[in-house]
Amino acid sequence: DTGVSQDPRHKITKRGQNVTFRCDPISEHNRLYWYRQTLGQGPEFLTYFQNEAQLEKSRLLSDRFSAERPKGSFSTLEIQRTEQGDSAMYLCASSPARFGNYGYTFGSGTRLTVV
Amino acid sequence: GQQLNQSPQSMFIQEGEDVSMNCTSSSIFNTWLWYKQDPGEGPVLLIALYKAGELTSNGRLTAQFGITRKDSFLNISASIPSDVGIYFCAGHNNAGNMLTFGGGTRLMVKP
Repeated sequence: DTGVSQDPRHKITKRGQNVTFRCDPISEHNRLYWYRQTLGQGPEFLTYFQNEAQLEKSRLLSDRFSAERPKGSFSTLEIQRTEQGDSAMYLCASSPARFGNYGYTFGSGTRLTVV
Repeated sequence: GQQLNQSPQSMFIQEGEDVSMNCTSSSIFNTWLWYKQDPGEGPVLLIALYKAGELTSNGRLTAQFGITRKDSFLNISASIPSDVGIYFCAGHNNAGNMLTFGGGTRLMVKP
């Protein structure tokens, strides 16, 4: 399977704990995106990497959130001191760096529940 | 928050019927995309539209990029049970690399 892989698929954590999610994009894709999706809503942009450089961050990405893509391949998204409002599906997507190609491929997501 | 308004929010139709859903925006987008999402999965790209006025088909699906660049519609012909899911429109403008998604249309098909 050469799709976008996310791990874990589900995470339940207590409020105040830190969590980290991993995303492995399609190997030849150098663009990687993180989105968040709450129940009944469409995905909302969080951040974007081109290779290892984080080029855009949404205002949704508070100081408690940090994303990395150290070698331009896989990426991690960490949430520190989780709050109940962080409960959501976290989606990773990737795309090749061809101009005008915004039809990226999404992973199956990590569903976070903060209790 | 969301800038794209999708309608209807949900539809319950009989198998074999045609379906139409649309998406409007208060601002211009240069690319429109339509995705389908099944429960517990990520969205899957159905159709991408890159030019105002463009009409594109993918099997039983047809989508159009409105000439004002502020709207798009998706039609599904002869619906089947596996069409069940949530359909999202998404738009891209030249301000960055993000997509803006609509709130989704939930489609239910009765066999």
